[in-house]
Amino acid sequence: DVKVTQSSRYLVKRTGEKVFLECVQDMDHENMFWYRQDPGLGLRLIYFSYDVKMKEKGDIPEGYSVSREKKERFSLILESASTNQTSMYLCASRGRGWGYTFGSGTRLTVV
Amino acid sequence: AQSVAQPEDQVNVAEGNPLTVKCTYSVSGNPYLFWYVQYPNRGLQFLLKYITGDNLVKGSYGFEAEFNKSQTSFHLKKPSALVSDSALYFCAVAAVNTGFQKLVFGTGTRLLVSP
Repeated sequence: DVKVTQSSRYLVKRTGEKVFLECVQDMDHENMFWYRQDPGLGLRLIYFSYDVKMKEKGDIPEGYSVSREKKERFSLILESASTNQTSMYLCASRGRGWGYTFGSGTRLTVV
Repeated sequence: AQSVAQPEDQVNVAEGNPLTVKCTYSVSGNPYLFWYVQYPNRGLQFLLKYITGDNLVKGSYGFEAEFNKSQTSFHLKKPSALVSDSALYFCAVAAVNTGFQKLVFGTGTRLLVSP
């Protein structure tokens, strides 16, 4: 079975901390995505990457950055966490074609 | 810009009854449409997609969706609901922007199936 693995299910961080959310896929997919999910807002795209070291801003990139040093790993970085970044974060990957595979999500609470 | 609307925050249906979860879309060019389901504290699971071909698409767990180009809709349906179908359902459209494909999601509809 294909897999997208997010390293943490639940995370609690303090305001101002630098936070790393990790995502690993084992499908040799070129494309990887980070979304955040909030009630009433659905999923919104933060960043995506179409190749190693390549990245594109999504719809809500402010306050975030990403890193893709290896094909299988896509990291989301909160440079200075704030309470309005408390959310569920979902990673996804896509190969050639239309199939997206999602991870189980990381629920981040910033206090 | 591509967008998806799910007009109902919640749909309630009794077990055994048919269910419909509504979705309308706005896209330039040919639409590529998807339905995903999310169970509590889980990621999204793929249900079905429309790329081309028959307007009635069959997917996982007995779900199907009907693509209607004139009404720009892609409603999710199931003939007989199960309590285990209770979950959060997302409609999505694949958007191609500056050559890169990405999914644009609706706000989600919570389906509650009562025994």
